[in-house]
Amino acid sequence: GAGVSQSPSNKVTEKGKDVELRCDPISGHTALYWYRQSLGQGLEFLIYFQGNSAPDKSGLPSDRFSAERTGGSVSTLTIQRTQQEDSAVYLCASSLARRGLTDTQYFGPGTRLTVL
Amino acid sequence: AQSVAQPEDQVNVAEGNPLTVKCTYSVSGNPYLFWYVQYPNRGLQFLLKYITGDNLVKGSYGFEAEFNKSQTSFHLKKPSALVSDSALYFCAVSGPGYSTLTFGKGTMLLVSP
Repeated sequence: GAGVSQSPSNKVTEKGKDVELRCDPISGHTALYWYRQSLGQGLEFLIYFQGNSAPDKSGLPSDRFSAERTGGSVSTLTIQRTQQEDSAVYLCASSLARRGLTDTQYFGPGTRLTVL
Repeated sequence: AQSVAQPEDQVNVAEGNPLTVKCTYSVSGNPYLFWYVQYPNRGLQFLLKYITGDNLVKGSYGFEAEFNKSQTSFHLKKPSALVSDSALYFCAVSGPGYSTLTFGKGTMLLVSP
């Protein structure tokens, strides 16, 4: 079956512009995660959606970052007034997310964001 | 708080030799441990996980990992490395009551012919 898809695969923008990154999770997966991968920094958790519950936004680095998930499926990560330090690969993952976080997260291919 | 340490930025091994990629963790309660692999310009692919049960976990592509509670480790192993195993490997941990995975910084595995 189809995996997690993300678009665009690459995004180049100018400092100060807003960008939107899209994630389409695996069908039937109720949990959706956004991570940021910077060179040499591993994966940094950004935000987590679980069903209809309020999202866990504890990883968002600033109020310029926001995300929404419409209809419990597709999610959009928005970065306002982009800065050069926002340049990174943004990864989305989804899982069945039964209690206890034992379910495997499946990752999309990522969006490479470059802020000039 | 939960944390993961991958003490080696890079591991070099010759094809056909055994490989080990190290991971240690810290979490309150019983850990849930995962290994992922990332090939260039690709997302992360799941290799294996430990939730409970047998300490030796077998996963994809011939990889296995051993959970050691006393040493809080979950090292990734393979008896015979392939050049195609060359990639970036991530260890991750979670636990009861946590809603997210915490990833290590990754270890680059280079297998030479």
